[in-house]
Amino acid sequence: AQSVTQPDIHITVSEGASLELRCNYSYGATPYLFWYVQSPGQGLQLLLKYFSGDTLVQGIKGFEAEFKRSQSSFNLRKPSVHWSDAAEYFCAVGLFGNEKLTFGTGTRLTIIP
Amino acid sequence: GAVVSQHPSRVICKSGTSVKIECRSLDFQATTMFWYRQFPKQSLMLMATSNEGSKATYEQGVEKDKFLINHASLTLSTLTVTSAHPEDSSFYICSARPALGAPLHFGNGTRLTVT
Repeated sequence: AQSVTQPDIHITVSEGASLELRCNYSYGATPYLFWYVQSPGQGLQLLLKYFSGDTLVQGIKGFEAEFKRSQSSFNLRKPSVHWSDAAEYFCAVGLFGNEKLTFGTGTRLTIIP
Repeated sequence: GAVVSQHPSRVICKSGTSVKIECRSLDFQATTMFWYRQFPKQSLMLMATSNEGSKATYEQGVEKDKFLINHASLTLSTLTVTSAHPEDSSFYICSARPALGAPLHFGNGTRLTVT
């Protein structure tokens, strides 16, 4: 069965600093990979997705993620975080044709001035 | 585009009553919608897959008689929590995708509190 691991439960970063959130997956095939962001009490917003092709994908709000097959990873990065980036971030995997997504446990991001 | 609307955003009900949550796809048709449950500071757990015109598919361990799902049209799915108990208090989120292979779009969730 597929699984998604986000090793970091909580990360604190200074505003303006760079950010990397880790995501590792276990899957029998090349999965479709997603990063979603959730603000408190809200639904999820899609940041970016990887289906195929270029392994470095660009998303909204200045985020990017890199798919590394050899490491089964899909880490999310941002060069310079803003206070508004404080939220919960979820990595998710799925298979084309199978519409279910499996979510990681999430990483809560705190931004300090 | 691809907006999913969920209503209500918050609901408080008494133990033993039933609560209905609506999930609408505003600008696309969705033959399939998904209902998730999220406990505080935890991830999303898929409860069921709502299929337009047919029965929902429930995940293992989800009580289908407690969580009734109806998907009567291509733009509306409802989740009814029947005979609610305090342990049903949670954040419920629906999602849908505008096309096969497209990313899921989520509603803003419903915070259910059962007193």
